[in-house]
Amino acid sequence: EDQVTQSPEALRLQEGESSSLNCSYTVSGLRGLFWYRQDPGKGPEFLFTLYSAGEEKEKERLKATLTKKESFLHITAPKPEDSATYLCAVSPRAGNTPLVFGKGTRLSVIA
Amino acid sequence: DTEVTQTPKHLVMGMTNKKSLKCEQHMGHRAMYWYKQKAKKPPELMFVYSYEKLSINESVPSRFSPECPNSSLLNLHLHALQPEDSALYLCASSQDWGLAAYNEQFFGPGTRLTVL
Repeated sequence: EDQVTQSPEALRLQEGESSSLNCSYTVSGLRGLFWYRQDPGKGPEFLFTLYSAGEEKEKERLKATLTKKESFLHITAPKPEDSATYLCAVSPRAGNTPLVFGKGTRLSVIA
Repeated sequence: DTEVTQTPKHLVMGMTNKKSLKCEQHMGHRAMYWYKQKAKKPPELMFVYSYEKLSINESVPSRFSPECPNSSLLNLHLHALQPEDSALYLCASSQDWGLAAYNEQFFGPGTRLTVL
């Protein structure tokens, strides 16, 4: 069964304290892995797509990396405005298969 | 422009009411989706439309009725809902569905639905 596990469930950082969020996946072939940011009561905002192991993508203070079993979202020198829930989702290779979402990591950055 | 719009932003309805949620995208995407999201949970897929045809219905109760009038619009008709149907309803779109492309889904802001 296709599965996505995100850790930690919640993370509290001081402003400027860099850290990483983890997304582990087991799927029957990977077409793509997606990171989203979601603020409370709003729709997920697309951040990155990663296609193959070794790929990296960056946007401002965020950097996403991918291996054959997991992805990391590195946050460098976070600011309070980075506080949100970060969702990871995978698109399995098999047929018309919906995205499989992780449960998310709730990030709080304290000034 | 990667914008998906949804109306209304908030909706309160009784269990005997009939209402509709609307979604629009102008990115030329051929796939559109409805998701339901409960607090502190990930989005849960309800329906997928591809080229204006229903491709997936994730065993959603018939009190939810989707409609895709054209490639830019997606509606969700609601009738005789239950209080447990209260949630954030999200619309999303992507370039394609079920093809080889690695299709990012772009989400709208959601409709916060409360069923009394």
